[in-house]
Amino acid sequence: NAGVTQTPKFRVLKTGQSMTLLCAQDMNHEYMYWYRQDPGMGLRLIHYSVGEGTTAKGEVPDGYNVSRLKKQNFLLGLESAAPSQTSVYFCASRGPSGSSYEQYFGPGTRLTVT
Amino acid sequence: AQTVTQSQPEMSVQEAETVTLSCTYDTSENNYYLFWYKQPPSRQMILVIRQEAYKQQNATENRFSVNFQKAAKSFSLKISDSQLGDTAMYFCAFMKQSNQFYFGTGTSLTVIP
Repeated sequence: NAGVTQTPKFRVLKTGQSMTLLCAQDMNHEYMYWYRQDPGMGLRLIHYSVGEGTTAKGEVPDGYNVSRLKKQNFLLGLESAAPSQTSVYFCASRGPSGSSYEQYFGPGTRLTVT
Repeated sequence: AQTVTQSQPEMSVQEAETVTLSCTYDTSENNYYLFWYKQPPSRQMILVIRQEAYKQQNATENRFSVNFQKAAKSFSLKISDSQLGDTAMYFCAFMKQSNQFYFGTGTSLTVIP
């Protein structure tokens, strides 16, 4: 099993450009999450999904959109990138309620917006 | 408002010694889950230990144990017999019933040979 994978691993964007980050998991997990990690800020939840076809806002959702068309994939979109979105982005997934609630994380995507 | 607070940005410990990392959280919920994650320089997030709030017994996992004080909303991590491989950022995390997770700002731990 590959676990949780993220594509791409690195990306440089110019202000105003758009891009989509892909998260894929092969553990048949219901729940998926997108976080951003900034120095001194820890991880902050952007959006999450409790199942295929569902999405919900997290702590810092502005400037991002998400989609969960397939259970195994969770996409994070930036429609018009801004320098404030320079960060490391992590995707995570976890099993259903009643399980260990452990989140399995991807390796991260480092995004720089110039 | 900050939901999870880690008041120690940096800590160091001698190899083979014991160190305790602090974490406090804020919630009005009665059922929730707490976690400690480790992030080594590779950037990969690794679960160290978890605690269910309804369990009074403190969780242990080999050299790692927690001191969970529900009334005080405190969840500290004790690392015994520290090893060089324990050098990493450590994040305390809290999961609400809404399925949202909140992380602290982290404690950078250095194990000194």
